[in-house]
Amino acid sequence: AQKITQTQPGMFVQEKEAVTLDCTYDTSDPSYGLFWYKQPSSGEMIFLIYQGSYDQQNATEGRYSLNFQKARKSANLVISASQLGDSAMYFCAMREEYRGISGNTPLVFGKGTRLSVIA
Amino acid sequence: DTGVSQNPRHKITKRGQNVTFRCDPISEHNRLYWYRQTLGQGPEFLTYFQNEAQLEKSRLLSDRFSAERPKGSFSTLEIQRTEQGDSAMYLCASSLGQGGSYEQYFGPGTRLTVT
Repeated sequence: AQKITQTQPGMFVQEKEAVTLDCTYDTSDPSYGLFWYKQPSSGEMIFLIYQGSYDQQNATEGRYSLNFQKARKSANLVISASQLGDSAMYFCAMREEYRGISGNTPLVFGKGTRLSVIA
Repeated sequence: DTGVSQNPRHKITKRGQNVTFRCDPISEHNRLYWYRQTLGQGPEFLTYFQNEAQLEKSRLLSDRFSAERPKGSFSTLEIQRTEQGDSAMYLCASSLGQGGSYEQYFGPGTRLTVT
C-alpha cells in the first residue's frame, strides 16, 4: 500500500530564510504524481506544487520548489524567502495506486508539518 | 467566487442525529472527492465521483455514510445516527477527470462536532 511519511511535526524558520520540508513516499506504481498542499488555520487546503514521476526537471512555482529524488523516494518542498504568511500546516500527498480507474484519483496524504515563520 | 464551496461551514449535532453536508465543485470539474480530516492528521479519502457515478468508496465509509451527486454537479454527504467519532473536518475537492492539470481544488470544509 502507498504511504507518505513526513517526519517533521514542526519546523521554525526565520523570515526571509529558506526552509526545506521533508517527504518520503512508498509506492509500487511505476507512474505516480506527488503534491504539496498548504493548510492555514482557516482550514482550506491550498495547492502549491505538483511533480510527475516521469518529469525530468524538478517542479517550481514561484517561491516553491520540489526537490525530487526518485531513487531515494523523496519529494521535499523548498520554500525560499519565507514570509510570515507561510506559517501553516504543509501536507505532502500522492495519487492512489492505479486500480483500474484512469485519470485523477484520490490523494493519500502524510500527517503534515507545521511551519512557523518567525519575524 | 468560482472555487469549491461547502455548506454549512460548521455543524454541531447530538449523537444519534442525522446530518447532511453539501459541496458545490468548480463548474467544469467532472470529478468530486470527499475527505475526512481529524485533528493532527492529514485528510483521508472517503469517496469520489465522476459526474454522477460514484467510482469508489473507502472502507472508512461505513454504512451510516452515504454520498450522492445526482445531476453530476453538487454533491451531498449524509451521516446517519452520528457518533462522537464522526467529529472531524469534512473536505470536498474537485478536479478534471483526465488530462490538463492534475491538482484537486479543495473547499473550506465543514467542521462537524458531535456532542
